[in-house]
Amino acid sequence: SYVLTQPPVLSVAPGQTARMTCGGDFIGSKSVHWYQHKAGRAPVLVVYDNSDRPSGIPERFSGSNSGNTATLSISRVEAGDEADYYCQLWDTGSDYRVFGGGTKLTVL
Amino acid sequence: QVQLVQSGTEVKKPGASVRISCRTSGYTFTDHYIHWVRQAPGEGLKWLGWINISGGDTNYVGGFQGRLTMTRDTSINTAYLDVTSLTSDDTATYYCARLLIAAGGPFDHWGQGTLVSVSS
Repeated sequence: SYVLTQPPVLSVAPGQTARMTCGGDFIGSKSVHWYQHKAGRAPVLVVYDNSDRPSGIPERFSGSNSGNTATLSISRVEAGDEADYYCQLWDTGSDYRVFGGGTKLTVL
Repeated sequence: QVQLVQSGTEVKKPGASVRISCRTSGYTFTDHYIHWVRQAPGEGLKWLGWINISGGDTNYVGGFQGRLTMTRDTSINTAYLDVTSLTSDDTATYYCARLLIAAGGPFDHWGQGTLVSVSS
């Protein structure tokens, strides 16, 4: 089945931009969604369909997708952005939904 | 507003079964599929499957040997996940999630999670 690869950790200083990648074969041809997951809480959708933001999500969150890599960017990172971030897509071949392994974002 | 409210923590012994409920409100229940996702301790999110609330058909991820069953009761806007023959590997937090309309769309609302602990 389809595999999504995310780096396990990313550390960023406050105020800087965090860029989290999600790799997959020809992922640029698929719709990728991103979720923020804090311990003890339900995951929250932060970007969908590669680059759209749900209402209530700050403009600091943005997404892109091309070739074999999708990227979630968070500009002007804040302490409250510390969380695990997961990419996800629909594998049409199996009709499965697939999650990446997640990236733990640490704000220094 | 859309809400998905799950049942509470479950503590089970190996070999037992568990039923988790996901009570929904704030939208037309039959308009959206419900998916189930779990997270074992120290691991990432794992997709388990979906149920078409309108038609009742389901699709499960492989590797569970028929131990997963997803059902729904449209009279009370509630979806259920049954897991049988529990082992310690099934210890996890289980989430229900609503799929936005399109098949390839995201999960736009999630339940708060149900912790299932399996231990002898």
